[in-house]
Amino acid sequence: GQNIDQPTEMTATEGAIVQINCTYQTSGFNGLFWYQQHAGEAPTFLSYNVLDGLEEKGRFSSFLSRSKGYSYLLLKELQMKDSASYLCAVREMWYKLSFGAGTTVTVRA
Amino acid sequence: DADVTQTPRNRITKTGKRIMLECSQTKGHDRMYWYRQDPGLGLRLIYYSFDVKDINKGEISDGYSVSRQAQAKFSLSLESAIPNQTALYFCATSVLSIRGGYNEQFFGPGTRLTVL
Repeated sequence: GQNIDQPTEMTATEGAIVQINCTYQTSGFNGLFWYQQHAGEAPTFLSYNVLDGLEEKGRFSSFLSRSKGYSYLLLKELQMKDSASYLCAVREMWYKLSFGAGTTVTVRA
Repeated sequence: DADVTQTPRNRITKTGKRIMLECSQTKGHDRMYWYRQDPGLGLRLIYYSFDVKDINKGEISDGYSVSRQAQAKFSLSLESAIPNQTALYFCATSVLSIRGGYNEQFFGPGTRLTVL
């Protein structure tokens, strides 16, 4: 089975930085994805890590440590439109993505 | 136009009814998936298909069946709907890339199903 944990909710102020942690214990590992999901909408791809280290993509960065079973998504210069759920997903095998329950981020003015 | 479409977008039905949810894609992807999303549980895989002749059960396939009518179409059926199948259902697609790449999944807009 798989266990993917992330905090349920986080709140931050516009312009600030928020870090969403994800820890995982899975039977296999072929990469870790972060998705953004606005309420009632489809998840959309944000980032992908398969090797240890930091991947930067504009205001969003994602970090992976395979030995620790740990990843984080860093959102910088928060904007109101960043209020959404952020899903951590581990690809255990080529066909199988296992998702965490998601972290709801609320950005306050 | 959206690359992955789902119909219907919302459906309310009664216990015992047969329901079909449809998914179509114009991305040309060979892999298609059905997930359900419940509050606090995340997305869970129901069925997946690598091509028209390949159908596989996911982690929660009981009570569901699927049909891959063509590369672009993948339907999910609930033979006899029950209230605990009330959820948000997503179809997703991905490409087979043996040379690597992200191979991320692209999601449709979802179908909100309520079983009374």
